[in-house]
Amino acid sequence: EAGVVQSPRYKIIEKKQPVAFWCNPISGHNTLYWYLQNLGQGPELLIRYENEEAVDDSQLPKDRFSAERLKGVDSTLKIQPAELGDSAVYLCASSPPGTHTEAFFGQGTRLTVV
Amino acid sequence: SQKIEQNSEALNIQEGKTATLTCNYTNYSPAYLQWYRQDPGRGPVFLLLIRENEKEKRKERLKVTFDTTLKQSLFHITASQPADSATYLCALASGNTPLVFGKGTRLSVIA
Repeated sequence: EAGVVQSPRYKIIEKKQPVAFWCNPISGHNTLYWYLQNLGQGPELLIRYENEEAVDDSQLPKDRFSAERLKGVDSTLKIQPAELGDSAVYLCASSPPGTHTEAFFGQGTRLTVV
Repeated sequence: SQKIEQNSEALNIQEGKTATLTCNYTNYSPAYLQWYRQDPGRGPVFLLLIRENEKEKRKERLKVTFDTTLKQSLFHITASQPADSATYLCALASGNTPLVFGKGTRLSVIA
C-alpha cells in the first residue's frame, strides 16, 4: 500500500513568489494534516481536515497561506507571497477514521525562500 | 499555555545500554500520548501509543510509561543499537484535538 505522497520534494523560490505543495493521503484516511517543521524543532500544526472540512486552522497564517482539500482526498497548501521566514519543511500526514489513531507522514517538501 | 518539553536535545549512549527519553507536559490533560521516530530528511514514523488509563506499553525493545500525576512519559529503548540513532518525538492529543508535538530528542547510539 502506498504511503502519504507529497510533491515536490524540494522547492527553491525567490521571496514574494507564490508556491504550492501537493499531498495525496493514504486511501481511506479521512483526516489530513499539514505541519510545518523548522530545523531542530517538532512539527507544528498548520491545518487539519476531517474529510473536506477544515476543523483546525487557527495556526494557519491566513494572510498568505491557504489550503484546500477538494473531494476529501488530495490537498494543496499554497503560500502567496512567500517570505524568507517561510523556509522550512512542510509535512503532510493522514490518519484513518476513529479517535486516538496514529498519523502517517509523507517525506515532506523542503522549501527554501531566497 | 500548553507546553510539551522533551528535556534533552541530544542523548549519547553506548551500544547495548538502555536509552531513556523524557517527555513532560504542562497545562494539558491528554487523552493519549504517542512516540514517533524521525530520521534526517524523512517524515516522522509512528512507534507507540499509550492512553491516559494505561501505565505502560511495550513493543519489542521499546517501552513507554505514562504518569498523568507527574505529567510525564518515559520512552525506553533496551539493548540499543547504532540503527536506533534518530530523533524521537513525543506527541499529545485529547478528545478531538490534533496531535501536538514536542521538539524531539536526538539519540546517538555509539558502537
